[in-house]
Amino acid sequence: AQSVTQLDSQVPVFEEAPVELRCNYSSSVSVYLFWYVQYPNQGLQLLLKYLSGSTLVKGINGFEAEFNKSQTSFHLRKPSVHISDTAEYFCAVSEDSSASKIIFGSGTRLSIRP
Amino acid sequence: ETGVTQSPTHLIKTRGQQVTLRCSSQSGHNTVSWYQQALGQGPQFIFQYYREEENGRGNFPPRFSGLQFPNYSSELNVNALELDDSALYLCASSLAGVSATEAFFGQGTRLTVV
Repeated sequence: AQSVTQLDSQVPVFEEAPVELRCNYSSSVSVYLFWYVQYPNQGLQLLLKYLSGSTLVKGINGFEAEFNKSQTSFHLRKPSVHISDTAEYFCAVSEDSSASKIIFGSGTRLSIRP
Repeated sequence: ETGVTQSPTHLIKTRGQQVTLRCSSQSGHNTVSWYQQALGQGPQFIFQYYREEENGRGNFPPRFSGLQFPNYSSELNVNALELDDSALYLCASSLAGVSATEAFFGQGTRLTVV
């Protein structure tokens, strides 16, 4: 069985500061890894995904994540955040590269202070 | 916008009633997955439909059922509604059998059971 743990339920940061949102996963098989963002009262938007290849993945809005197989982690980073990054972020895994059956973490609320 | 549309956007039902939620998948996609997102939690996988047949189910009781139509649109039906069924219901469409794709999510239907 697969599971995803997001270690921080809330992360407050100041505008233009760097941020890291932590994610660990467990699975008995190879998985594909994803980060989604959810703005208030909206659905989910894919930020980035790791399917294979380079362990450093770049996504939209300046976000990137690094896949670490030995630590079973997939932490999300951004060097300088903006007020518009305020949202809920979900780490997710799937055994399916088309991500049709996704296991989500509980989410991390990123709040940006001016 | 993703091209995945859900209806209605909001609805209120009474405990014990039945509800049908609808999802129109993105053009060219043949797989639809449904998720339940309770307040403050990550989405939970309910089930997936591929070519009009259920193709995987999460830990949800049989009173959660679905349909997929020849045009790949889908319905989620919930019978005997309970207060804990109050949640945001998300559908996602994808193309099975093709690697390196993503699931596209709709905006969701907010169900309130009173």
